[in-house]
Amino acid sequence: EAEVAQSPRYKITEKSQAVAFWCDPISGHATLYWYRQILGQGPELLVQFQDESVVDDSQLPKDRFSAERLKGVDSTLKIQPAELGDSAMYLCATQRRGTTDTQYFGPGTRLTVL
Amino acid sequence: AQTVTQSQPEMSVQEAETVTLSCTYDTSESDYYLFWYKQPPSRQMILVIRQEAYKQQNATENRFSVNFQKAAKSFSLKISDSQLGDAAMYFCAYRSAQGGSEKLVFGKGTKLTVNP
Repeated sequence: EAEVAQSPRYKITEKSQAVAFWCDPISGHATLYWYRQILGQGPELLVQFQDESVVDDSQLPKDRFSAERLKGVDSTLKIQPAELGDSAMYLCATQRRGTTDTQYFGPGTRLTVL
Repeated sequence: AQTVTQSQPEMSVQEAETVTLSCTYDTSESDYYLFWYKQPPSRQMILVIRQEAYKQQNATENRFSVNFQKAAKSFSLKISDSQLGDAAMYFCAYRSAQGGSEKLVFGKGTKLTVNP
């Protein structure tokens, strides 16, 4: 069964450093989401891509976060510089085109900022 | 903006018993989707069940069923014959059916413990 892949699974960094997370969607899934899940809370959307285009990045802190999906397949989320408050689980989810489709989640990257 | 509220931070159930997790939501839209997702410890989030708002019939998936009350904006999940593997965080989520952003709006989750 196809799955969404994410790496790394765990990342520890010091504040002010740069970090990057990678997501590989299920083949054929045109829509890709990055969510942030703070401990004890539900995930919140950071950015949504449709193919290589950004559909929604209204909740992305653009002064330090950036996301790209250059060829409309895999995606990278970057934080520079990392802050203590960025410690969280970063989840990638993908779905086939269309609002009726299920979002499939990857295992996430747990970020700890020291 | 839509909001989702899960008022039970933690629930517990005995193995083989039935448990109901509560969820309420707020929206001005008439067409939308509701979901329950399960997130086991250190494992990825998986879809348990989904409900289209235009359908009056409550969704069921094996031991999982929902009680969808559109007027009350309530969407509870019932787990029958609870199993040890059901232990996880359960998240209720909302998604608009309108075009544009199809993001999921999640509640804060309910931690379910299953006691042997």
